[in-house]
Parts: sequence; structure tokens; C-alpha cells
Amino acid sequence: GENVEQHPSTLSVQEGDSAVIKCTYSDSASNYFPWYKQELGKRPQLIIDIRSNVGEKKDQRIAVTLNKTAKHFSLHITETQPEDSAVYFCAASNNAGNMLTFGGGTRLMVKP
Amino acid sequence: DTEVTQTPKHLVMGMTNKKSLKCEQHMGHRAMYWYKQKAKKPPELMFVYSYEKLSINESVPSRFSPECPNSSLLNLHLHALQPEDSALYLCASSQDFGLVAFFGQGTRLTVV
Repeated sequence: GENVEQHPSTLSVQEGDSAVIKCTYSDSASNYFPWYKQELGKRPQLIIDIRSNVGEKKDQRIAVTLNKTAKHFSLHITETQPEDSAVYFCAASNNAGNMLTFGGGTRLMVKP
Repeated sequence: DTEVTQTPKHLVMGMTNKKSLKCEQHMGHRAMYWYKQKAKKPPELMFVYSYEKLSINESVPSRFSPECPNSSLLNLHLHALQPEDSALYLCASSQDFGLVAFFGQGTRLTVV
């Protein structure tokens, strides 16, 4: 089955700096890659996603890049703010599209 | 309505109790999911329903019994649970496989 590795497990940045979180996946047939943000005690919320026919997608301060050949994708957050502090999960959809496999999560701390 | 609603938000139950978790969505989504999330871990898929039929059971013990009474509702019946089953149980739905999944706020379950 699909295996998703996520790094780093914790990331501390100064407010205003950029943050980058990286994920690799094993199933070359995976074609959908969402990123979720989970604040303490709350539900995972989709922040951005990308499909395998696109190499990059941007939404304001958040961008995701996908390298299908290398089977890795990354989340980029620019001009970080304290409210960006949360756990971020990457995920990959299997080739049947009926289940998501999550990475282990990255705890992002943005220091004011 | 873009919400997935779960009840109850918190549940404490004994190992001999029978209880049910409920999930409801009115977005017309045809795929619904149960996930289990332990502290500081990613969500783990338990069950997937597609068009009200169980399509995936990720080798979940029989003390967890899912039910999909109609296209808007998903239940998880609990019986004879163990303390290690204590976790956040998340329901999610998506319009179809491989599309954006929306999570409910979860039920925090404690088995005593």
C-alpha cells in the first residue's frame, strides 16, 4: 500500500520567515495530494491540494509543489504568522482514489 | 451547508457499555469515512462507505461496527471497547473518491 513520509516532525520559525514541509510517497499511481492544518483540539482542515497533472499551486501565502518523477511534494508558507502555528499533515490518495494515507505530521511553531 | 457534524463531542464509556457515534452531512457527498486519531499522530482510516455501501474496512476489530442508514448519515457503534481505543474519532465526507474530504470536529472518546 501507499506510504507517506513527512519531514520535519517539528519546525520552529520566526514570524515573517518562510516554512517548508516536505513529503514523499511510494505509490507512483497516486494522483491527489492534499495538505491539512490541525489546530490543537480541532478538526483537520484542508488548506491546499494539488493533482498530479499540475506541478505547482499557490493560494496567497501558501503554495504546494509536486515532483511526480521524484515522488515528493512540498508545502511552502511565506510570511508566517503566529496563527499559522499548528500541526500540518500531508496526504496522498491511492490510485483508486478511495482512501487517503497521511504523513506523520509536522508541528509548526511560529514565534512572534 | 458545508459542514460535517458529529455527535457527541465527548464520550466517556465503560468497557461493558454500548454506545454510538453519529455523523451527518448535507452536502450531497457520496463517500463517507471514519478515522481514528491518537494524540500527536495522523488520522488512521477505519472504514469507507461509498453510495451507502461499505467499500473499505481497514482490518478494524469487530467491537467497532459501522452503519450507513442513508446518504447523509454515518454511525459507528461501539461495544466492549478497551482503554487503548480511547482516541479522537473523526468522520469525513467527499463528493466522490479522490476529491476533497471535509472532516467533522470529531468525538473525543475515553474508555474507562
